[in-house]
Amino acid sequence: GQNIDQPTEMTATEGAIVQINCTYQTSGFNGLFWYQQHAGEAPTFLSYNVLDGLEEKGRFSSFLSRSKGYSYLLLKELQMKDSASYLCAVRPAAKDMRFGAGTRLTVKP
Amino acid sequence: EADIYQTPRYLVIGTGKKITLECSQTMGHDKMYWYQQDPGMELHLIHYSYGVNSTEKGDLSSESTVSRIRTEHFPLTLESARPSHTSQYLCASSSGYEQYFGPGTRLTVT
Repeated sequence: GQNIDQPTEMTATEGAIVQINCTYQTSGFNGLFWYQQHAGEAPTFLSYNVLDGLEEKGRFSSFLSRSKGYSYLLLKELQMKDSASYLCAVRPAAKDMRFGAGTRLTVKP
Repeated sequence: EADIYQTPRYLVIGTGKKITLECSQTMGHDKMYWYQQDPGMELHLIHYSYGVNSTEKGDLSSESTVSRIRTEHFPLTLESARPSHTSQYLCASSSGYEQYFGPGTRLTVT
């Protein structure tokens, strides 16, 4: 089967750093994605990893270890607007996409 | 800014009705997708298309059907709506690895 696991909820303080982990077990691997989804809105793309290592984009970074089936999304200098669900998704095959249930992040003042 | 549109945004309909959810994109993307998402749950891929006249089912079994007669248009049809179809339906498109999502249609079947 295909499994993508991430914590259900996390809370962090404004200005802090938070790391959201994602582990996956899929039949194949053609890339890992992170999306942000605010309540009641559509997901928006944050990052894409296909090779091991860290991808940095502004305040957001994403890390991938294919041998461990592991990724994390790192959010720095948290802002209140970062309160949202963060979805980890894996492409097991070229024509497939599997999403985790998402991690609901609450940023407190 | 992605240009992908879905109508209606909200729909409440009775059991047994036929409905079509519209999705259009103006980016010329060849790939389009339909996802189903229940509140607080993961997105499930129900249909996808890699070009005109090409459609395939996703990992979640769905009683809906889709068509892709034009590049920009990817409607989803339920022939006979049931309460179990109550959910949010999200359309997406891509040309590369990044998918752009529409605002979604929240469907309630009574």
